[in-house]
Amino acid sequence: ILNVEQSPQSLHVQEGDSTNFTCSFPSSNFYALHWYRWETAKSPEALFVMTLNGDEKKKGRISATLNTKEGYSYLYIKGSQPEDSATYLCAFNQDSNYQLIWGAGTKLIIKP
Amino acid sequence: DGGITQSPKYLFRKEGQNVTLSCEQNLNHDAMYWYRQDPGQGLRLIYYSQIVNDFQKGDIAEGYSVSREKKESFPLTVTSAQKNPTAFYLCASRIAGYTGELFFGEGSRLTVL
Repeated sequence: ILNVEQSPQSLHVQEGDSTNFTCSFPSSNFYALHWYRWETAKSPEALFVMTLNGDEKKKGRISATLNTKEGYSYLYIKGSQPEDSATYLCAFNQDSNYQLIWGAGTKLIIKP
Repeated sequence: DGGITQSPKYLFRKEGQNVTLSCEQNLNHDAMYWYRQDPGQGLRLIYYSQIVNDFQKGDIAEGYSVSREKKESFPLTVTSAQKNPTAFYLCASRIAGYTGELFFGEGSRLTVL
């Protein structure tokens, strides 16, 4: 059974601080790793789709790294702002199967 | 603006009733998906469709049915056979044959009374 684990489940961070959280996935037959941000009462939105081992992607203050050999990805947020408060989801594609296996998410709350 | 529209946002159903959740997209995507979210769990795939008039069961299809008569539309029916239908339902789409990002609707919350 394929399993994707995200940690921590929730995180409180002071505004201005930087933070990071983890997505762990099976290391065999890797195809792609997705990160999404899901704000309350909105649609989940894609942040990154990563396919190459060692890849690092950046969007503004948010970046992600990927290690396919050991099966983990980190999401970093630099200088957290209140608008970063959301649940961050990761999802794993094995082989070229179109189905994604989802983690339960990390809920991030930024304290002003 | 292009996007995915789900309706209704909130739905209450009595036990034994079927209900249909609507999902419409104007992104010209061939592939559409229905997910279910329960507290503390990752999204679970109910059904997906890669092309009009074709769809496949996901991991938790029992008690659900779908149709794909038009490219833009992928309605989900929650039947009375679904033992625990109270949940949050998300519809998504993307380009068929592509493992890139999904585009999501805002979801529908179904509560069975």
